[in-house]
Formats: sequence, C-alpha cells, structure tokens
Amino acid sequence: AQSVAQPEDQVNVAEGNPLTVKCTYSVSGNPYLFWYVQYPNRGLQFLLKYITGDNLVKGSYGFEAEFNKSQTSFHLKKPSALVSDSALYFCAVRDFSGSNSGYALNFGKGTSLLVTP
Amino acid sequence: DTGVSQDPRHKITKRGQNVTFRCDPISEHNRLYWYRQTLGQGPEFLTYFQNEAQLEKSRLLSDRFSAERPKGSFSTLEIQRTEQGDSAMYLCASSLGGREEQYFGPGTRLTVT
Repeated sequence: AQSVAQPEDQVNVAEGNPLTVKCTYSVSGNPYLFWYVQYPNRGLQFLLKYITGDNLVKGSYGFEAEFNKSQTSFHLKKPSALVSDSALYFCAVRDFSGSNSGYALNFGKGTSLLVTP
Repeated sequence: DTGVSQDPRHKITKRGQNVTFRCDPISEHNRLYWYRQTLGQGPEFLTYFQNEAQLEKSRLLSDRFSAERPKGSFSTLEIQRTEQGDSAMYLCASSLGGREEQYFGPGTRLTVT
C-alpha cells in the first residue's frame, strides 16, 4: 500500500525560528501528497498538496512543503514559527494500491508541533 | 459556516447498543469519506461515496458497520452492537470531483462503556 511516515512524534521550536516537520513516503508511481493540521477538538484542516509541477508547494498560513523525489520526502516548512502554529500535523498520501479507487488517504501518525514564546 | 458538519459531536453508549452518526458535506461536493481516528494515530479510511454510490470500503469496516448516502447529499454511519474497541473519533470529509483535497468535519467522538 502507499504509505507515509512521520519520524518525529514531537517537534519543539522557538517562536520566530524556522520549523520543519518531516514526512517520507513509500509509493509506486507518482505520489499525491498532502499536509493537514489538527487543532484540539477540531477537525483536520487542509494546508497544501503536491500533485505535480514545482517541487516547492506553498499553502495556507505561510506553510510550504518541498517535494524531493530522490529522498522520497515531503517536509513541511515555515520560515518563522508562531505560537499559534502549535498543533498536530499529519502527512497523507492518496492510496492507489491494489483495487483501491485512489481517493482514500493514508495518513501518517502525526507530529505534535510545540512553538514556545 | 459552509463547511462539513457532523452530528452528534459526542456520543456515549453502552456496549451492545447501536449508534448512528450523520455527516453533511459541503453542498456542492460529490465525494464523501468516512475515517476513524484513535488517540495517537492518524485517521484511517473507512469508506467512500461518489454521489450516492458507495465505491470503496476498507477492511476496517466490519459487518457491524454500515454507511449510506441515500440522495447523494448527507451520509449516515451506523455501528451495530458496539464494542469497546469502537471507541474513537469518527471523521467525515468531502471533496469536489476534479479537486484532490478533502475537507474534514469536526468529528463525532464515540465512547463505548
């Protein structure tokens, strides 16, 4: 199956510093990759996606992600972190494996981002 | 608010009871998805509808689970004879054909006692 891995359970960063949340993928064919953010007691919010085209994808709230085919990575980045960015971040990939339609998303386990003042 | 809505937001039930959740997608979205999320995990796909047709079901969707989308608008997810292992957050999402991103509702938190 197509899958993603988030190697870090938690990332801590000081406000104003750049942040990176890591994601690696394992797919056959071209990956469709996504980042979502989840705030406490709220649903997942879409941040950005990579389907094709430029390897640097810009999304909501100043986030961007870099698709790297050779390293099979899709890391989420932000130049200057805010305390309000503290949340749970999920990387996801569309699942085209087997007889699946390809519309289901396979999510990573999530990375908790804590931005301290 | 024109986002995805889910009802109820919380449900506590006793083991063996049946429960039903409702999802109202974004109005023009023809695709609807159900996921389940347990603590410390990412969402896991359960099932997918395109309009009123249920096109894909995960192996996670046991015989006790059934989902419908009768008129291609709202959807219901029913769990029969609930078990403690069914305790989770049930998330609904919708998307528009031709667009890849899915938009999620706030979820229904189920606790089975």
